[in-house]
Amino acid sequence: GDSVTQMEGPVTLSEEAFLTINCTYTATGYPSLFWYVQYPGEGLQLLLKATKADDKGSNKGFEATYRKETTSFHLEKGSVQVSDSAVYFCALRKNYGGSQGNLIFGKGTKLSVKP
Amino acid sequence: DGGITQSPKYLFRKEGQNVTLSCEQNLNHDAMYWYRQDPGQGLRLIYYSQIVNDFQKGDIAEGYSVSREKKESFPLTVTSAQKNPTAFYLCASTSGRAPAYEQYFGPGTRLTVT
Repeated sequence: GDSVTQMEGPVTLSEEAFLTINCTYTATGYPSLFWYVQYPGEGLQLLLKATKADDKGSNKGFEATYRKETTSFHLEKGSVQVSDSAVYFCALRKNYGGSQGNLIFGKGTKLSVKP
Repeated sequence: DGGITQSPKYLFRKEGQNVTLSCEQNLNHDAMYWYRQDPGQGLRLIYYSQIVNDFQKGDIAEGYSVSREKKESFPLTVTSAQKNPTAFYLCASTSGRAPAYEQYFGPGTRLTVT
């Protein structure tokens, strides 16, 4: 079945360091891909998305490119801030079948940024 | 402001009691979802509803029940049959079926059963 695998955390970085969180997926058809962020004690917020191959999603300095050839959607940011400390979830959206619209999530990667 | 409301934020119950978690949205979204989040496990789908008066089991529906009598509301009941109910519960909704439509999430309810 469809699945998402993302790198395990926790990831600890110093402020202004470069961030990469790897995400790969297995899916039938052409899923949409998302990154969500969760701050402590809160729900999830959409960070960015891409709906087809080679699309690049970007928001708040974060970027991810939908790579169909490597089935990947890695999250990157050039210079992290303390306020980026959160848990990041990669997700795919099923775009076919009876469960069209459902999301499948990775297990999440906790990021801690130290000043 | 449009959004999803979940109440209460924290809920405590004794083992053997049923408990109902509230989820209300004023986004006029057709589809609604319930997820369970446990540490290190990501989000797992409990139930979803794509239209009023219809709902489907997700991956971990055992011990849970839902209803969808109104478009705005999708309450989740955690029954005494759920073996390990202590978790963070998240409700979400989405407006349509096109590939670009993301899910919007509520703030969550943390349920503790002792």
